[in-house]
Amino acid sequence: DGGITQSPKYLFRKEGQNVTLSCEQNLNHDAMYWYRQDPGQGLRLIYYSQIVNDFQKGDIAEGYSVSREKKESFPLTVTSAQKNPTAFYLCASSPHRAGNTEAFFGQGTRLTVV
Amino acid sequence: GQNIDQPTEMTATEGAIVQINCTYQTSGFNGLFWYQQHAGEAPTFLSYNVLDGLEEKGRFSSFLSRSKGYSYLLLKELQMKDSASYLCAVRDPDSGNTGKLIFGQGTTLQVKP
Repeated sequence: DGGITQSPKYLFRKEGQNVTLSCEQNLNHDAMYWYRQDPGQGLRLIYYSQIVNDFQKGDIAEGYSVSREKKESFPLTVTSAQKNPTAFYLCASSPHRAGNTEAFFGQGTRLTVV
Repeated sequence: GQNIDQPTEMTATEGAIVQINCTYQTSGFNGLFWYQQHAGEAPTFLSYNVLDGLEEKGRFSSFLSRSKGYSYLLLKELQMKDSASYLCAVRDPDSGNTGKLIFGQGTTLQVKP
């Protein structure tokens, strides 16, 4: 079955530590996205990548970093510079020329800073 | 800037009909999506509108008026499992025909017996 997989589902981090969230897709999609979701604020775009080895900042990129070395993978690192990292993180993918094709989402990773 | 507005919360009764509104102010328009999201889960696709009018898909319908910057999601014969958040999103008008979306804050719908 084709899909998009995020891991882990729950993640705990101590203050001052970097942590990497995994996102893998086997849909052969060119584009991948990372969103952050906070209560009452909807989804906000962190980073996105339209093609391998290229990515762009979204609306709230500060304190985050990404890489896109393979088409299937788009890991997100939450660095110690992110002031308020506790949130629900969602990864999505879509064809590059999306047309009426929706973005597909992973199941999300809930990150908690302890 | 781009802005999308939805009501924060709505309550409806099982078996009834509910309409969730979404208004958008964007520099252009290239398509509008509705997603359903149960708490702690991934958003799942419900509908896509790019032309004016009503798109019907079973118990769910979505309407678009581009001249008014307005869409609504209509849920008929409500079931308890329809209790969820409903996300309105428009394709980023500056991104061409890509899947880059701008989301509203979501509407949490509670269905009561």
